[in-house]
Amino acid sequence: QVQLQESGPGLVKPSQTLSLTCTVSGASLQGGGYYWSWIRQPPGMGLEWIGYIYFTGKTYYNPSLESRLTMSVDMSKNEFSLKLRSATAADTAVYYCVKDRSSVEIGHFDIWGRGTLVTVSS
Amino acid sequence: IVMTQSPATLSVSPGERATLACRASQSVSSDLAWYQQKPGQAPRLLIYGASTRATGVPARFSGSGSGTEFTLTISSLQSEDFAVYYCQQYNDWPPYTFGQGTKVEIK
Repeated sequence: QVQLQESGPGLVKPSQTLSLTCTVSGASLQGGGYYWSWIRQPPGMGLEWIGYIYFTGKTYYNPSLESRLTMSVDMSKNEFSLKLRSATAADTAVYYCVKDRSSVEIGHFDIWGRGTLVTVSS
Repeated sequence: IVMTQSPATLSVSPGERATLACRASQSVSSDLAWYQQKPGQAPRLLIYGASTRATGVPARFSGSGSGTEFTLTISSLQSEDFAVYYCQQYNDWPPYTFGQGTKVEIK
């Protein structure tokens, strides 16, 4: 079955770039025509959708983060990545990589990684 | 689109029915999903299309509504159902937006 695994530094200094990678196993990023997302959750708070990437590299970002955000895909490694520039304490959160349930009816997420906590602090 | 869930906390005894509400600031048609999240775990998709159970979700979970008003009902609460529940709209994006969550706790 499809599994997702987030990886990256757990601690980022303010003003630096927060970088995470999601490794996909059990499926090809290219196969199925699915969209792949990042979603985050500050400690004790709710969920925020960050953005989408398609295997072609097409991206859709949350407008609130768009100016600082870059998502990319590496088909050779079956991975997709997130870079969030100029990090602040408000970016401290558990970051999840997720998969859409359907390639046709997009926008809801059936496979989630376990999540990785990223703390922005000096 | 702003999603508002009520109540923030719901205290229910095992075996009782739980009814959770979700309201959208504008119509989202039936493009509404519900998730369950237990402490230290990732959310789990329960319902999509406002009323379709995801694979493996027990029949005691049901969703209803369309437009701006939605409900998640758990017909007879089991011990494993005590968790936080989130609704999410996927009709108008970006961005997809979530409610702030309803915590279902043991009474």
